[in-house]
Amino acid sequence: DVKVTQSSRYLVKRTGEKVFLECVQDMDHENMFWYRQDPGLGLRLIYFSYDVKMKEKGDIPEGYSVSREKKERFSLILESASTNQTSMYLCASSQPNLRNTEAFFGQGTRLTVV
Amino acid sequence: GNSVTQMEGPVTLSEEAFLTINCTYTATGYPSLFWYVQYPGEGLQLLLKATKADDKGSNKGFEATYRKETTSFHLEKGSVQVSDSAVYFCALISGSGNTGKLIFGQGTTLQVKP
Repeated sequence: DVKVTQSSRYLVKRTGEKVFLECVQDMDHENMFWYRQDPGLGLRLIYFSYDVKMKEKGDIPEGYSVSREKKERFSLILESASTNQTSMYLCASSQPNLRNTEAFFGQGTRLTVV
Repeated sequence: GNSVTQMEGPVTLSEEAFLTINCTYTATGYPSLFWYVQYPGEGLQLLLKATKADDKGSNKGFEATYRKETTSFHLEKGSVQVSDSAVYFCALISGSGNTGKLIFGQGTTLQVKP
């Protein structure tokens, strides 16, 4: 059974903290993605990676960074958490060329910044 | 840029009613189109897709036809069940080849009552 695992389902952090969200996939996928999900806005792409140590900015990268040191792991980093980063964060992975495959999603991490 | 627009929800239906969720897109060229579904407490999973004009994707009684002339990909089901209650996302691929990424609409919440 294919799996994308996010390290936490719920997380509460204080303003200004550095926050790490971890995502691991066991499908040997090249591509990995981080989205945030907000009511009325759908899913918005923060960053994606199509190879180890490769990353590209998505639509809303400000305030975030990512790390991909190993193929199976893609970390999202909030350098200094702020209340407007309170959201649901979803990780996904896929083989290259989404026309011929599908993206698999983790269950999400609901982050609250207080 | 590429974008997806869905009808606003929530949509509330009685069991066995007919469902339509509208989706239109803006894109250069002819992107592949997708419907993803998110059941309560879970990540997104692919429901169906279509990769070229006039293609019909279908799964679990749901159907959607890729209409190039109206740039639409409306989701339909003839008879909904309580178990179909979920959030539905329309999406397209932005970019090409191995570095394509999914662009999502706002999501439409469906609630089916017994």
